[in-house]
Amino acid sequence: AQSVSQHNHHVILSEAASLELGCNYSYGGTVNLFWYVQYPGQHLQLLLKYFSGDPLVKGIKGFEAEFIKSKFSFNLRKPSVQWSDTAEYFCAVNPTGGGNKLTFGTGTQLKVEL
Amino acid sequence: NAGVTQTPKFRILKIGQSMTLQCTQDMNHNYMYWYRQDPGMGLKLIYYSVGAGITDKGEVPNGYNVSRSTTEDFPLRLELAAPSQTSVYFCASKTRTRGMNTEAFFGQGTRLTVV
Repeated sequence: AQSVSQHNHHVILSEAASLELGCNYSYGGTVNLFWYVQYPGQHLQLLLKYFSGDPLVKGIKGFEAEFIKSKFSFNLRKPSVQWSDTAEYFCAVNPTGGGNKLTFGTGTQLKVEL
Repeated sequence: NAGVTQTPKFRILKIGQSMTLQCTQDMNHNYMYWYRQDPGMGLKLIYYSVGAGITDKGEVPNGYNVSRSTTEDFPLRLELAAPSQTSVYFCASKTRTRGMNTEAFFGQGTRLTVV
């Protein structure tokens, strides 16, 4: 069964700082990878996704993530965070080719201070 | 398109009571999921369904039941509520296009407290 690890549970940054959130997964086959964001009191929304092709994917609101297959990683980055990026971020993995379970990491709570 | 709709948004139950969390989607998605979200634990899969009439257990199915009589609806039933079931519950749906997975779409969540 697949699993997802997010090592940073809480991150506090000042506005304009750069962000990198780690995500590692364990699964023997090929996967689809996702980053979701949950703003306070809201449901999960898709930030970006990787299915195939260019391992550097760009999402909404200036976020990007890089899939490094050899490291089983899919880290999320943003060059300059804003106060409005305060939210919880979840990495998720879904095996390709018939796998139906979407497995989430434990999430990273990001707080951006003015 | 309403997307994924969950009702109710909030509910307080007494220990031993039962209730059904409703979930409906209007995107004709094959796959539907129920997750629970607890602080610091991320989202844990309770049950999922790959189509009408087919359901399967996820990581934490104990204490819950589901049914999928139609493509649109995927209700989650709690038969004997326990304090350990206090959580936020999210329903999600997705589809497969040309054999490829797509992203999941989530409902607004149901905050359940068992006292």
